[in-house]
Amino acid sequence: NAGVMQNPRHLVRRRGQEARLRCSPMKGHSHVYWYRQLPEEGLKFMVYLQKENIIDESGMPKERFSAEFPKEGPSILRIQQVVRGDSAAYFCASSPEEGTGVMPQHFGDGTRLSIL
Amino acid sequence: GESVGLHLPTLSVQEGDNSIINCAYSNSASDYFIWYKQESGKGPQFIIDIRSNMDKRQGQRVTVLLNKTVKHLSLQIAATQPGDSAVYFCAEKYSSASKIIFGSGTRLSIRP
Repeated sequence: NAGVMQNPRHLVRRRGQEARLRCSPMKGHSHVYWYRQLPEEGLKFMVYLQKENIIDESGMPKERFSAEFPKEGPSILRIQQVVRGDSAAYFCASSPEEGTGVMPQHFGDGTRLSIL
Repeated sequence: GESVGLHLPTLSVQEGDNSIINCAYSNSASDYFIWYKQESGKGPQFIIDIRSNMDKRQGQRVTVLLNKTVKHLSLQIAATQPGDSAVYFCAEKYSSASKIIFGSGTRLSIRP
C-alpha cells in the first residue's frame, strides 16, 4: 500500500467543522477513486476522478461532500459541516490508464475520520 | 445495489492447513473479480484477480475459482500462515464501469 499516500492518517473534527482528506496516487496512475468504510463492513464506492475531471460521483452524498483531482497536487475529498455519521475510514485507490482492459485498484492505508 | 456477499463472516483455520473463503455474487453482468486482504489499520491489499472468461487462476499460495453458473467465487490459501490473518474481501466490477463493489468480508484467524 505504500504507493498510494493518504494524509492525514487520523483526523478528528467537531460537528459543523470541515474535513479535508488528501490522496496522492501511485506514480504513473491518473485515475483516483474514493471509498468509505464503516467498522466491520466492506468499502463503499464514493467517487471516481481523472485529472481535473469527475467521471462518476454516483456514490457520493449530494450535499456537503465534494472531490477534486487538480492538474497539480493530490486529490482532495472535502466534507463540509461534518456530522457524527461521517465518522468512518476513507480510502483512496488509484489505477493506471485502463484502456480496454481492467486493472486492479491499489489502495492507500486510509484516513480515519472521527467526529466529536 | 450492492450484490456481493459472503457465506461466512469468520473462519478459523489451523496453521499449515488450507483455507477456503467463499463468496457469492448476484450480478451476472460482472466480468471482473478481485480478492483483497485487509489487515487491521491498513487499506485493502490486492491478492489476485480473475476475469469472467476464466474459471481458475493461481498465484503464489493462492488460487481463485470462479463458477459463473452458480455465481460463486472462492479464494484458496495453501499452507495458511499466521501472517494470513486478516479480513478478506471479494469484489466485483463491470469492466466498463469505474467502481468496485465489495462484499462484507470474512475474518480469517489462524490457530497455532
